[in-house]
Amino acid sequence: GDSVTQMEGPVTLSEEAFLTINCTYTATGYPSLFWYVQYPGEGLQLLLKATKADDKGSNKGFEATYRKETTSFHLEKGSVQVSDSAVYFCALTMNYGGSQGNLIFGKGTKLSVKP
Amino acid sequence: DGGITQSPKYLFRKEGQNVTLSCEQNLNHDAMYWYRQDPGQGLRLIYYSQIVNDFQKGDIAEGYSVSREKKESFPLTVTSAQKNPTAFYLCASSIGFEQFFGPGTRLTVL
Repeated sequence: GDSVTQMEGPVTLSEEAFLTINCTYTATGYPSLFWYVQYPGEGLQLLLKATKADDKGSNKGFEATYRKETTSFHLEKGSVQVSDSAVYFCALTMNYGGSQGNLIFGKGTKLSVKP
Repeated sequence: DGGITQSPKYLFRKEGQNVTLSCEQNLNHDAMYWYRQDPGQGLRLIYYSQIVNDFQKGDIAEGYSVSREKKESFPLTVTSAQKNPTAFYLCASSIGFEQFFGPGTRLTVL
């Protein structure tokens, strides 16, 4: 079935370091891809999305490019801040003739940024 | 402000008791979802509802029940049949691609 695999954490970085969190997917069709962020004790917030191959999603300095050839959607940020400490989830949903399937999540990657 | 509310934030129950978690949204979304989150396991779908008076089982529905009598409300009951109910429960609603999440309820069964 469809699935998402993301790098295991935790990831610990110093402030202003470069961040990459890897995400790959398996899907029978053409999914839409998402990154969600969960701050401690809270629900999830949509960080960015891409709905077709070669789309780049971006928000708050984070970017991810939908790579169909490598079935990947890696999350990157050039300079992380302490406030970026959170758990990041990669997710996909399948498109069925104009309607969406349910979200399928990776297991999450915990990021800790030290000052 | 529009959004999703879940109450309470923390809930404690004795083993063998049923407990109902509240989820309300004022976003006018048709679809609503319940997820369970355990450490290191991501989010797993319990139930979802695409429209009022209709709902479907997700991946881990055993031991849970839901109702969808109103568009705004999608309560989740954790029954005594759920063998390991202690977890963080998240409710979401959606329009199009994007799902919007509530703040979650942490249930602890003693």
